Amino acid sequence: DIQMTQSPSSLSASVGDRVTITCRASQGISNNLVWFQLKPGKAPKSLIYAASSLQSGVPSKFSGSGSGTDFTLTINNLQPEDFATYFCQQYHSFPYTFGQGTKLQIK
Amino acid sequence: QVQLVQSGAEVKKPGASVKVSCKASGYPLTTYYLHWVRQAPGQGLEWMGWINPNSGRTNYAQKFQGRVTMTRDTSINTAYMELGRLRSDDAAVYYCAKEADSSGWYDYWGQGTLVTVSS
Repeated sequence: DIQMTQSPSSLSASVGDRVTITCRASQGISNNLVWFQLKPGKAPKSLIYAASSLQSGVPSKFSGSGSGTDFTLTINNLQPEDFATYFCQQYHSFPYTFGQGTKLQIK
Repeated sequence: QVQLVQSGAEVKKPGASVKVSCKASGYPLTTYYLHWVRQAPGQGLEWMGWINPNSGRTNYAQKFQGRVTMTRDTSINTAYMELGRLRSDDAAVYYCAKEADSSGWYDYWGQGTLVTVSS
């Protein structure tokens, strides 16, 4: 199975900040990576697919980059609604696997 | 608009089975593969498998083979995930998720179903 190592596990930031979350795959996954946001009691929301493509309806403050084994998610101009948990997931091969998540908290 | 609406929370005893439903609206269920993912409390996300709603073909994660069954009823645009021989570590929120296209990523998720396993 492909292991996905996500960091940091938690992050404190202020409204208006820019943050970066990283995800590393244990083997090359091309660009078959998605980032999504999870809030308690709500459906997960996919943000970035194919490592860098913005999902329809997602604001451009979210961006992704990377290919192969190293990936990043950047969120610009943090707003209160952005404080949530973020996950990466590889869909290169089965079983699909996930990063451990990054909990983004208000400083 | 596309929506996946899951059934409500369940409380089950160890050894029992649970069946979670996922009703699709805004698109024909048969069009895209549907996956199931779970998240145990304080744990990471775990992929359980997929169903091709058109053919009924399934692919389960090895960990769940023999205990999980994914089915669908195309007449009501609904998919199901049944997990048997429940253990305490099966307590989790279970999600269904729709593939966006043949590449495999999910564009829509259900809201999750909390399954509690307790004697």
